[in-house]
Amino acid sequence: GENVEQHPSTLSVQEGDSAVIKCTYSDSASNYFPWYKQELGKGPQLIIDIRSNVGEKKDQRIAVTLNKTAKHFSLHITETQPEDSAVYFCAASKETSGSRLTFGEGTQLTVNP
Amino acid sequence: DSGVTQTPKHLITATGQRVTLRCSPRSGDLSVYWYQQSLDQGLQFLIQYYNGEERAKGNILERFSAQQFPDLHSELNLSSLELGDSALYFCASSVAPAGRGLNNEQFFGPGTRLTVL
Repeated sequence: GENVEQHPSTLSVQEGDSAVIKCTYSDSASNYFPWYKQELGKGPQLIIDIRSNVGEKKDQRIAVTLNKTAKHFSLHITETQPEDSAVYFCAASKETSGSRLTFGEGTQLTVNP
Repeated sequence: DSGVTQTPKHLITATGQRVTLRCSPRSGDLSVYWYQQSLDQGLQFLIQYYNGEERAKGNILERFSAQQFPDLHSELNLSSLELGDSALYFCASSVAPAGRGLNNEQFFGPGTRLTVL
């Protein structure tokens, strides 16, 4: 089955700096890659996603890039703010598996004011 | 607020007992997914339903079962509970059915925290 690896497990940045989280996946048939933000005591919140026919997608301070050949995708957060502090999860899925999500291990992002 | 509701928020029970977790999907969503989040295994897919029918199964134990009702709400039943079943259980929903050439976004509920003593 699919395996998703995520790095780093923890990331600490200063407010205003950029943060980058990287994921690799194993199944070349995967074609949908969402990113979730999970705050303490809450459920994962979808923040951005990318499909395999697109190489990059931006939404304000957040961007995701996908390299299908290398089977990796990354989340980029610019101008970080303290409220960006949370655990971020990458995930992968493919339609033939019923769209189930396989998650990475998560990255604890801390933005220091 | 994702629009997905889950009850109860917290559940404390003893080993050997049985519990039922409930999920109501977003209005208009036909697919429901159950995930388990534990410290040692992360977020893991358990099972998916679409319009009342089971569509995909993941690492779900035989002691666990689920169903989706005609009004599209879903229940996850956990029986013969063990200490290791303590975890957060999340429900997610999406619009599109599985395998129709469309990977639609999954929106997660707030979860149920299960503690088995």
